[in-house]
Amino acid sequence: NAGVMQNPRHLVRRRGQEARLRCSPMKGHSHVYWYRQLPEEGLKFMVYLQKENIIDESGMPKERFSAEFPKEGPSILRIQQVVRGDSAAYFCASSPMLGTGLSLSGNTIYFGEGSWLTVV
Amino acid sequence: TQLLEQSPQFLSIQEGENLTVYCNSSSVFSSLQWYRQEPGEGPVLLVTVVTGGEVKKLKRLTFQFGDARKDSSLHITAAQTGDTGLYLCAGERYNTDKLIFGTGTRLQVFP
Repeated sequence: NAGVMQNPRHLVRRRGQEARLRCSPMKGHSHVYWYRQLPEEGLKFMVYLQKENIIDESGMPKERFSAEFPKEGPSILRIQQVVRGDSAAYFCASSPMLGTGLSLSGNTIYFGEGSWLTVV
Repeated sequence: TQLLEQSPQFLSIQEGENLTVYCNSSSVFSSLQWYRQEPGEGPVLLVTVVTGGEVKKLKRLTFQFGDARKDSSLHITAAQTGDTGLYLCAGERYNTDKLIFGTGTRLQVFP
Protein backbone atom coordinates (compact mmCIF):
# COMPACT_ATOMS: atom_id res chain seq x y z
CA ASN A 1 0.00 0.00 0.00
CA ALA A 2 2.95 2.29 0.44
CA GLY A 3 2.78 5.40 -1.65
CA VAL A 4 -0.61 5.19 -3.38
CA MET A 5 -2.63 8.00 -1.88
CA GLN A 6 -6.38 8.16 -2.04
CA ASN A 7 -8.69 10.85 -0.81
CA PRO A 8 -11.06 11.31 0.67
CA ARG A 9 -10.94 8.15 2.77
CA HIS A 10 -14.61 8.48 3.58
CA LEU A 11 -17.25 10.37 1.65
CA VAL A 12 -20.95 10.72 2.32
CA ARG A 13 -23.22 11.94 -0.46
CA ARG A 14 -26.96 12.33 -0.81
CA ARG A 15 -28.71 10.67 -3.71
CA GLY A 16 -28.33 12.76 -6.83
CA GLN A 17 -25.09 14.47 -5.79
CA GLU A 18 -21.71 13.99 -7.40
CA ALA A 19 -18.80 12.09 -5.89
CA ARG A 20 -15.19 12.71 -6.83
CA LEU A 21 -12.51 10.33 -5.67
CA ARG A 22 -8.85 11.15 -6.15
CA CYS A 23 -5.81 8.96 -6.48
CA SER A 24 -2.14 9.88 -6.59
CA PRO A 25 -0.05 6.93 -7.78
CA MET A 26 3.26 5.87 -6.36
CA LYS A 27 6.20 7.96 -7.48
CA GLY A 28 7.39 6.81 -10.87
CA HIS A 29 4.19 4.92 -11.67
CA SER A 30 2.47 5.91 -14.86
CA HIS A 31 -0.55 3.61 -14.79
CA VAL A 32 -3.57 3.72 -12.55
CA TYR A 33 -6.38 1.23 -11.93
CA TRP A 34 -9.72 1.72 -10.22
CA TYR A 35 -11.53 -1.15 -8.53
CA ARG A 36 -14.82 -1.27 -6.63
CA GLN A 37 -15.54 -3.51 -3.67
CA LEU A 38 -18.96 -4.18 -2.22
CA PRO A 39 -19.19 -5.46 1.38
CA GLU A 40 -17.91 -9.01 1.79
CA GLU A 41 -17.00 -9.29 -1.88
CA GLY A 42 -13.86 -9.28 -3.97
CA LEU A 43 -12.66 -6.36 -6.01
CA LYS A 44 -14.27 -5.63 -9.37
CA PHE A 45 -12.16 -4.03 -12.07
CA MET A 46 -13.51 -0.74 -13.35
CA VAL A 47 -10.92 1.09 -15.44
CA TYR A 48 -7.23 1.19 -16.31
CA LEU A 49 -5.58 4.45 -17.32
CA GLN A 50 -2.26 5.93 -18.15
CA LYS A 51 -1.55 9.64 -18.34
CA GLU A 52 -4.15 11.29 -20.60
CA ASN A 53 -5.32 7.94 -21.95
CA ILE A 54 -7.92 5.34 -20.98
CA ILE A 55 -6.53 1.90 -21.77
CA ASP A 56 -9.38 -0.33 -20.63
CA GLU A 57 -12.74 0.81 -19.29
CA SER A 58 -14.58 -2.45 -19.73
CA GLY A 59 -15.63 -2.52 -16.08
CA MET A 60 -17.08 0.96 -15.93
CA PRO A 61 -20.84 1.37 -15.81
CA LYS A 62 -22.04 2.95 -19.03
CA GLU A 63 -23.66 5.92 -17.36
CA ARG A 64 -22.78 8.33 -14.57
CA PHE A 65 -19.22 7.03 -14.10
CA SER A 66 -16.11 8.54 -15.64
CA ALA A 67 -12.39 8.48 -14.95
CA GLU A 68 -9.45 10.55 -15.98
CA PHE A 69 -5.74 10.70 -15.36
CA PRO A 70 -4.51 14.10 -16.52
CA LYS A 71 -0.97 14.99 -17.44
CA GLU A 72 -0.65 16.84 -14.16
CA GLY A 73 -2.40 15.92 -10.94
CA PRO A 74 -4.13 12.88 -9.57
CA SER A 75 -6.43 10.44 -11.27
CA ILE A 76 -10.10 11.16 -10.60
CA LEU A 77 -13.03 8.79 -10.52
CA ARG A 78 -16.23 10.75 -10.90
CA ILE A 79 -19.68 9.46 -10.14
CA GLN A 80 -22.55 11.71 -11.13
CA GLN A 81 -26.05 11.58 -9.65
CA VAL A 82 -25.10 8.95 -7.10
CA VAL A 83 -27.57 6.27 -6.04
CA ARG A 84 -27.58 4.01 -2.99
CA GLY A 85 -26.14 1.16 -5.02
CA ASP A 86 -22.98 3.18 -5.59
CA SER A 87 -22.12 2.81 -1.90
CA ALA A 88 -18.90 0.83 -1.84
CA ALA A 89 -15.19 0.99 -1.26
CA TYR A 90 -13.29 2.29 -4.26
CA PHE A 91 -9.66 1.27 -4.53
CA CYS A 92 -7.01 2.79 -6.67
CA ALA A 93 -3.84 0.94 -7.62
CA SER A 94 -0.80 1.93 -9.60
CA SER A 95 1.99 0.24 -11.47
CA PRO A 96 5.03 1.20 -13.50
CA MET A 97 3.48 -0.61 -16.45
CA LEU A 98 5.28 -1.10 -19.66
CA GLY A 99 2.42 -2.54 -21.65
CA THR A 100 3.95 -5.95 -21.83
CA GLY A 101 1.97 -7.56 -19.09
CA LEU A 102 2.45 -7.75 -15.36
CA SER A 103 4.00 -11.19 -15.38
CA LEU A 104 6.37 -10.59 -18.25
CA SER A 105 7.61 -7.32 -16.89
CA GLY A 106 7.84 -8.67 -13.36
CA ASN A 107 5.72 -5.83 -12.11
CA THR A 108 2.78 -5.81 -9.84
CA ILE A 109 0.17 -3.31 -8.84
CA TYR A 110 0.07 -1.55 -5.49
CA PHE A 111 -3.16 -0.57 -3.85
CA GLY A 112 -4.13 2.50 -1.93
CA GLU A 113 -6.13 2.29 1.27
CA GLY A 114 -9.40 3.01 -0.44
CA SER A 115 -12.18 5.57 -0.44
CA TRP A 116 -15.43 4.54 1.22
CA LEU A 117 -18.45 6.11 -0.41
CA THR A 118 -21.76 6.10 1.43
CA VAL A 119 -24.85 7.34 -0.36
CA VAL A 120 -27.70 8.33 1.91
CA THR B 1 -19.79 -14.68 -14.69
CA GLN B 2 -17.05 -14.92 -12.09
CA LEU B 3 -13.74 -15.92 -13.62
CA LEU B 4 -12.05 -16.83 -10.35
CA GLU B 5 -13.94 -18.74 -7.70
CA GLN B 6 -12.53 -19.05 -4.22
CA SER B 7 -13.47 -21.67 -1.65
CA PRO B 8 -14.40 -21.76 1.05
CA GLN B 9 -16.10 -18.40 1.20
CA PHE B 10 -15.85 -18.32 5.00
CA LEU B 11 -13.53 -20.21 7.31
CA SER B 12 -13.50 -20.14 11.07
CA ILE B 13 -10.81 -22.13 12.88
CA GLN B 14 -8.90 -22.39 16.15
CA GLU B 15 -5.37 -21.12 16.53
CA GLY B 16 -2.87 -23.83 15.64
CA GLU B 17 -4.99 -25.52 12.98
CA ASN B 18 -3.99 -25.84 9.35
CA LEU B 19 -6.12 -24.64 6.47
CA THR B 20 -6.19 -24.45 2.69
CA VAL B 21 -7.90 -21.88 0.51
CA TYR B 22 -8.57 -22.63 -3.14
CA CYS B 23 -8.78 -20.37 -6.17
CA ASN B 24 -10.21 -22.00 -9.29
CA SER B 25 -10.94 -21.00 -12.83
CA SER B 26 -11.60 -22.48 -16.23
CA SER B 27 -9.37 -19.79 -17.73
CA VAL B 28 -5.60 -19.73 -18.01
CA PHE B 29 -3.72 -16.95 -16.28
CA SER B 30 -0.25 -15.70 -17.07
CA SER B 31 0.26 -14.93 -13.40
CA LEU B 32 -1.65 -15.19 -10.19
CA GLN B 33 -1.35 -13.14 -7.04
CA TRP B 34 -2.59 -13.55 -3.50
CA TYR B 35 -3.57 -10.59 -1.34
CA ARG B 36 -4.71 -10.18 2.23
CA GLN B 37 -7.07 -7.40 3.18
CA GLU B 38 -8.00 -6.21 6.64
CA PRO B 39 -11.15 -4.21 7.43
CA GLY B 40 -10.92 -0.59 6.34
CA GLU B 41 -7.72 -1.10 4.40
CA GLY B 42 -6.57 -1.88 0.90
CA PRO B 43 -5.33 -5.31 -0.26
CA VAL B 44 -1.71 -6.09 0.52
CA LEU B 45 0.22 -8.33 -1.84
CA LEU B 46 1.45 -11.61 -0.34
CA VAL B 47 2.90 -13.39 -3.35
CA THR B 48 2.98 -13.62 -7.14
CA VAL B 49 3.24 -16.97 -8.93
CA VAL B 50 4.06 -17.12 -12.60
CA THR B 51 5.13 -20.61 -13.61
CA GLY B 52 2.75 -23.57 -13.77
CA GLY B 53 3.41 -25.89 -10.83
CA GLU B 54 5.31 -23.20 -8.96
CA VAL B 55 5.36 -23.39 -5.16
CA LYS B 56 6.31 -20.43 -3.02
CA LYS B 57 6.65 -20.29 0.74
CA LEU B 58 6.27 -17.27 2.95
CA LYS B 59 6.91 -18.37 6.55
CA ARG B 60 3.81 -20.45 7.46
CA LEU B 61 2.08 -19.73 4.13
CA THR B 62 2.56 -21.99 1.10
CA PHE B 63 1.26 -20.94 -2.30
CA GLN B 64 0.93 -23.21 -5.29
CA PHE B 65 0.09 -22.42 -8.90
CA GLY B 66 -1.58 -25.25 -10.78
CA ASP B 67 0.30 -26.97 -13.60
CA ALA B 68 -2.19 -25.68 -16.16
CA ARG B 69 -2.12 -22.17 -14.64
CA LYS B 70 -5.88 -22.26 -14.04
CA ASP B 71 -5.93 -22.63 -10.27
CA SER B 72 -4.00 -21.92 -7.12
CA SER B 73 -4.03 -22.75 -3.45
CA LEU B 74 -2.91 -21.10 -0.27
CA HIS B 75 -2.05 -23.32 2.68
CA ILE B 76 -1.51 -21.89 6.16
CA THR B 77 0.20 -24.03 8.77
CA ALA B 78 -0.49 -23.52 12.47
CA ALA B 79 -2.79 -20.55 11.97
CA GLN B 80 -2.47 -17.58 14.29
CA THR B 81 -5.02 -14.92 15.23
CA GLY B 82 -2.97 -12.46 13.20
CA ASP B 83 -3.83 -14.43 10.05
CA THR B 84 -7.43 -13.26 10.33
CA GLY B 85 -8.52 -11.34 7.26
CA LEU B 86 -9.95 -11.49 3.76
CA TYR B 87 -7.77 -13.47 1.36
CA LEU B 88 -8.08 -12.61 -2.31
CA CYS B 89 -6.57 -14.29 -5.31
CA ALA B 90 -6.15 -12.27 -8.49
CA GLY B 91 -5.12 -13.40 -11.94
CA GLU B 92 -3.75 -11.65 -14.98
CA ARG B 93 -5.00 -12.97 -18.31
CA TYR B 94 -2.84 -13.02 -21.39
CA ASN B 95 -0.53 -10.30 -20.20
CA THR B 96 -3.31 -7.73 -20.20
CA ASP B 97 -1.78 -5.70 -17.34
CA LYS B 98 -5.12 -6.11 -15.58
CA LEU B 99 -5.90 -8.21 -12.50
CA ILE B 100 -9.17 -10.10 -12.16
CA PHE B 101 -9.99 -10.75 -8.52
CA GLY B 102 -11.51 -13.83 -6.98
CA THR B 103 -14.58 -13.88 -4.79
CA GLY B 104 -12.56 -13.83 -1.56
CA THR B 105 -12.20 -16.06 1.50
CA ARG B 106 -12.86 -14.55 4.89
CA LEU B 107 -10.71 -16.27 7.50
CA GLN B 108 -11.33 -15.95 11.23
CA VAL B 109 -8.81 -17.50 13.60
CA PHE B 110 -9.91 -17.82 17.22
CA PRO B 111 -7.48 -18.02 20.15
